[in-house]
Amino acid sequence: AIQMTQSPSSLSASVGDRVTITCRASQDIRNVLGWYQHRPGKAPKLLIYSASSLESGAPARFSGSGSGTYFTLTISSVQPEDFATYYCLQDYTYPWTFGQGTKVEL
Amino acid sequence: EVQLVESGGGLVQAGRSLRLSCTVSGFTVGAYGLTWFRQAPGKGLEWVAFIRSRAYGGTTEYAASVAGRFTISRDEPKSIVYLQMNSLRSEDTAMYYCSRLYQQWLARFDYWGQGTLVTVSS
Repeated sequence: AIQMTQSPSSLSASVGDRVTITCRASQDIRNVLGWYQHRPGKAPKLLIYSASSLESGAPARFSGSGSGTYFTLTISSVQPEDFATYYCLQDYTYPWTFGQGTKVEL
Repeated sequence: EVQLVESGGGLVQAGRSLRLSCTVSGFTVGAYGLTWFRQAPGKGLEWVAFIRSRAYGGTTEYAASVAGRFTISRDEPKSIVYLQMNSLRSEDTAMYYCSRLYQQWLARFDYWGQGTLVTVSS
């Protein structure tokens, strides 16, 4: 199975900060990676697909980059509603696998 | 408006069975791949099962941890996707989410339900 390793596992940020989360795949997954936001008690929300495509309705302050085995999610200016846990996910090959998550805290 | 609503969760003894339902609206359930994910208490998200769209034969895939115990299926006239869970174990305790796969190899799971909680007592 492809292992997805996110870092950091948690980070502290203030409103307005620029935040970057990384995700490394244990083998080449081309650009087959998505980024998801998960708030407690809510449904996960798709932010980025195909490594760098912004999902319709997702705020433009979210951006993704990378290919192969190294990927990043950047929040250009953290807003209060962005405090959540973020996951990367690959559906390049079965079993589909998530990173362990990055909790963005105030 | 696209919606997915899970139901059927609850408290069940280890070894017993439970069937989860995901009722969809706003799209044709056979036209998309549908997926079940879960999140155990204090843990991250985990993929559980997938059923391909009708165009791709409606075949299925499973995580190794549930293969042979769980079955994903679809009732197109009712617009429901099911997850039949047999021989439940304490480690199956989790919030279960269904999600629509817009297109494979884009990692684009574009709509998710709010989840249904399954608790397995040992």
